[in-house]
Amino acid sequence: GQSLEQPSEVTAVEGAIVQINCTYQTSGFYGLSWYQQHDGGAPTFLSYNALDGLEETGRFSSFLSRSDSYGYLLLQELQMKDSASYFCAVRGNTGGFKTIFGAGTRLFVKA
Amino acid sequence: DAGVIQSPRHEVTEMGQEVTLRCKPISGHNSLFWYRQTMMRGLELLIYFNNNVPIDDSGMPEDRFSAKMPNASFSTLKIQPSEPRDSAVYFCASRQGAAGTEAFFGQGTRLTVV
Repeated sequence: GQSLEQPSEVTAVEGAIVQINCTYQTSGFYGLSWYQQHDGGAPTFLSYNALDGLEETGRFSSFLSRSDSYGYLLLQELQMKDSASYFCAVRGNTGGFKTIFGAGTRLFVKA
Repeated sequence: DAGVIQSPRHEVTEMGQEVTLRCKPISGHNSLFWYRQTMMRGLELLIYFNNNVPIDDSGMPEDRFSAKMPNASFSTLKIQPSEPRDSAVYFCASRQGAAGTEAFFGQGTRLTVV
């Protein structure tokens, strides 16, 4: 089966850097994704890692270590609008490449 | 493209009634997912279709739930009979192919069963 663990809440101040960790277990690994969800909204895609290393997209970066079954999302120059829930999601190579989501990390950005 | 379209956006129904949720995926996407989101259980994958064929329905909670995808542009999730514990936000998402990296979510249907 597939399972993921991520912290339930993180608080940081505007302008700071925050890292949200994710560890996963899967019977076959294809990739790790990150999604952002604002209250009342739908999850929106942020990044995807299939290979080890860092992927950078503007203020957001995502890292993957397949040997450690671990990844993180790094948010830089935090803004108030970054207050949201962040989900890591793992895609295994069984079950037709289905994607399973973690429980989400609630990020609170303070002024 | 208008994105993934779900209807209705909100549904309030009485316990025991049948509920049908609808989804139109993005044109050209051949993978479709139904997720349920609650505070207690987070985002749960209910069922996954590829090329209109159900690949994995292990997340469907019980026989009261059923899903169909009669063609590439339409899917339904039906609950019959509905129960208060089915109250949740139901999301449909689509992806371009099994190897696609990004799933696009609809705005969800907020279901309340009273």
